[in-house]
Amino acid sequence: GQQLNQSPQSMFIQEGEDVSMNCTSSSIFNTWLWYKQDPGEGPVLLIALYKAGELTSNGRLTAQFGITRKDSFLNISASIPSDVGIYFCAGLSNTGNQFYFGTGTSLTVIP
Amino acid sequence: GAVVSQHPSRVICKSGTSVKIECRSLDFQATTMFWYRQFPKKSLMLMATSNEGSKATYEQGVEKDKFLINHASLTLSTLTVTSAHPEDSSFYICSAASGTQGTQYFGPGTRLLVL
Repeated sequence: GQQLNQSPQSMFIQEGEDVSMNCTSSSIFNTWLWYKQDPGEGPVLLIALYKAGELTSNGRLTAQFGITRKDSFLNISASIPSDVGIYFCAGLSNTGNQFYFGTGTSLTVIP
Repeated sequence: GAVVSQHPSRVICKSGTSVKIECRSLDFQATTMFWYRQFPKKSLMLMATSNEGSKATYEQGVEKDKFLINHASLTLSTLTVTSAHPEDSSFYICSAASGTQGTQYFGPGTRLLVL
């Protein structure tokens, strides 16, 4: 099925730096979700966004549902080593129950 | 809340045998569960959508006779890989949808190795 365009594909940052990644789609979405996946584990939900323009925080994580409903971003402030992993965005289309995944952003935090 | 379990976490089997993977929503009822397959360093690939009490909907290119899905209750869906071959070796992940907004919660995954 369709996949969302997620960027960047990978990031290598120093501990303490802020991180930003985003997801775009050519279609409108009703829901945007951000997940983190550690090696050998299932994705864990970080933040769920249900309204255009919504800005939601979860600790050091902040995500926004774009006003056009075609994009979303995730920011991580003051990164720490345990932030390492792959981050996926996901969206639920407005046409039904179609759920699409981003291609993932691999984050490496250098102590 | 919204915990999903999978069993087994990893399984090794001989070529030609069948393997069953269970997915359970532990603290909520899920009318819809999803089965994904993930290759190394790749995103999740949806295999099928499982609705309680009805037949699963398979994505294009996924053989329904090879990957049998049963969703017998609101908290349990099973995926059976029939006559497994080495190319079926992969990481299989299930998810369960909670609420009307369709948020999916994922299980921890099952690593299948077919020898």
